[in-house]
Amino acid sequence: DQQVKQNSPSLSVQEGRISILNCDYTNSMFDYFLWYKKYPAEGPTFLISISSIKDKNEDGRFTVFLNKSAKHLSLHIVPSQPGDSAVYFCAASGDNAGNMLTFGGGTRLMVKP
Amino acid sequence: DVKVTQSSRYLVKRTGEKVFLECVQDMDHENMFWYRQDPGLGLRLIYFSYDVKMKEKGDIPEGYSVSREKKERFSLILESASTNQTSMYLCAIGRAGSTDTQYFGPGTRLTVL
Repeated sequence: DQQVKQNSPSLSVQEGRISILNCDYTNSMFDYFLWYKKYPAEGPTFLISISSIKDKNEDGRFTVFLNKSAKHLSLHIVPSQPGDSAVYFCAASGDNAGNMLTFGGGTRLMVKP
Repeated sequence: DVKVTQSSRYLVKRTGEKVFLECVQDMDHENMFWYRQDPGLGLRLIYFSYDVKMKEKGDIPEGYSVSREKKERFSLILESASTNQTSMYLCAIGRAGSTDTQYFGPGTRLTVL
């Protein structure tokens, strides 16, 4: 049973518009959440994270929102650029020792010029 | 800059062959991880290690083994490769005792014929 789910396998947006990627989790012990971006034939790269003590974290064009009561987080990209086209993975940790992560299935974002 | 290298970017093997995938880091991180990435399934943890000669099973360890004889190296071994092990294999590193980010290598695309 997947503890982290990304229900949209793909998303297409126009350049300059907002991209919103969603992620749901079921394990209430998760207390740290991350987003990774992955281009084809490359390893994932860390994008942005949020601790459960916050509900928002912003880094340039990227903002992550956390709704603990709904066990939901989202990544907003504003404005979207063609170079943002990639697969985005949501990940969560906190219910185990060390820094093990549980990943969602990924959402492929396509930003059209 | 964090550097995680993997021995091969692309590998083609035959069913029944023994396959070695090696991961090397230069960050002196305690934790090392092996994942496989398949479409729609995200990243699934195969094995991880939190110290030299220590290993723990992840979510999908069947058909795999690992070796960590030195802190900077973590090897994934497919004792007898099968076609369902065709996948993208990703190595990651992380610091001990931290819900911090993991850093990934570039990945190895393994095809088993």
